Amino acid sequence: DQQVKQNSPSLSVQEGRISILNCDYTNSMFDYFLWYKKYPAEGPTFLISISSIKDKNEDGRFTVFLNKSAKHLSLHIVPSQPGDSAVYFCAAESGQGAQKLVFGQGTRLTINP
Amino acid sequence: NAGVTQTPKFRVLKTGQSMTLLCAQDMNHEYMYWYRQDPGMGLRLIHYSVGEGTTAKGEVPDGYNVSRLKKQNFLLGLESAAPSQTSVYFCASNPGLTYNEQFFGPGTRLTVL
Repeated sequence: DQQVKQNSPSLSVQEGRISILNCDYTNSMFDYFLWYKKYPAEGPTFLISISSIKDKNEDGRFTVFLNKSAKHLSLHIVPSQPGDSAVYFCAAESGQGAQKLVFGQGTRLTINP
Repeated sequence: NAGVTQTPKFRVLKTGQSMTLLCAQDMNHEYMYWYRQDPGMGLRLIHYSVGEGTTAKGEVPDGYNVSRLKKQNFLLGLESAAPSQTSVYFCASNPGLTYNEQFFGPGTRLTVL
């Protein structure tokens, strides 16, 4: 049972436009959400996060929105740059100790010049 | 700081062979984790540790064993490798307590023939 789902395996966006990556979850116990970025042959790197007590968190070009009632979060990248081309993973932390994360399947973002 | 390092980067095994993957971190982190990444599956937690001398099972622990004899090292063992264990393995660490972000190593690509 996939508790964190990223239903779009891939997304293609033109350079300079907005990229929107989506993530849905089923477990209402999740209390913290993170986005990771992964380049080929490298480990995931942390990008941005949001606590369940907030509905928005912004860091430069990156904004994460959380809709708890819909169990949905999204990552907005504005403006998109070629270096943003990577696989993006959504992850959720259960708040049950050990800071364990549950990951989505990932979305491959391609920024076209 | 080197962060999280993994040894080896690549390995090919025959069915039934054994091997150990080494993860080392120089950040004095309390928590460490082993994940596997398979196409379309995201990252799945195999085992984790919340401190030296402690280990616990994650989502997909079968066929793997772990040890954390020293705080900075977390070893993942495969006693009798199977083709289903062909995957990319990532180690991660976390400072512990209420810190949510995990720091990942570069990964080990394992092929079992």
